[in-house]
Amino acid sequence: NAGVTQTPKFQVLKTGQSMTLQCAQDMNHEYMSWYRQDPGMGLRLIHYSVGAGITDQGEVPNGYNVSRSTTEDFPLRLLSAAPSQTSVYFCASSYDYRNIQYFGAGTRLSVL
Amino acid sequence: DQQVKQNSPSLSVQEGRISILNCDYTNSMFDYFLWYKKYPAEGPTFLISISSIKDKNEDGRFTVFLNKSAKHLSLHIVPSQPGDSAVYFCAASSRTSGTYKYIFGTGTRLKVLA
Repeated sequence: NAGVTQTPKFQVLKTGQSMTLQCAQDMNHEYMSWYRQDPGMGLRLIHYSVGAGITDQGEVPNGYNVSRSTTEDFPLRLLSAAPSQTSVYFCASSYDYRNIQYFGAGTRLSVL
Repeated sequence: DQQVKQNSPSLSVQEGRISILNCDYTNSMFDYFLWYKKYPAEGPTFLISISSIKDKNEDGRFTVFLNKSAKHLSLHIVPSQPGDSAVYFCAASSRTSGTYKYIFGTGTRLKVLA
């Protein structure tokens, strides 16, 4: 059972480039979310989804786009990367929003 | 405005002694609280949770206490072990309001000294 899988593990981008961080879960969870972790800031919610076709903004959504076409996948898109988006990104999923979230191992992103 | 605060960035404790990690929140709508543990280069893993209808929840060496009037919760680890060395995050959500969001604190780095 893979749980929550994030790819890639590491990525370096130049300012202005776009990319997609992948997140997949095999637990048939309805709720999925993206967080970023920055020093001294804890985990901040970027976007979340309560089911296929339904997404909403979290605390820090600017500069990021999401979609949820299937239950399993919840990709996070950076449209035009900025140095301020240098961070560690975590994807999480849970049976529904009232339940414990399971986290992926993270993607470490550097924007130069 | 930080709705969930962990005011101690780090804590060192001797092996075998009690570790107490604290968390304060400001939103009175929060009714469900969780603690996560995070090792370097790994994602956070769930440790223990508590609903606002309780003031204590215990799981082995880990106990979480909730003081709703003070908007304060704490995680007690007894006895502390070197393997407990990690960053601990508290998180809060409002199940009844249906906002579907978990708000995390900034984390406390625990170091258990052998």
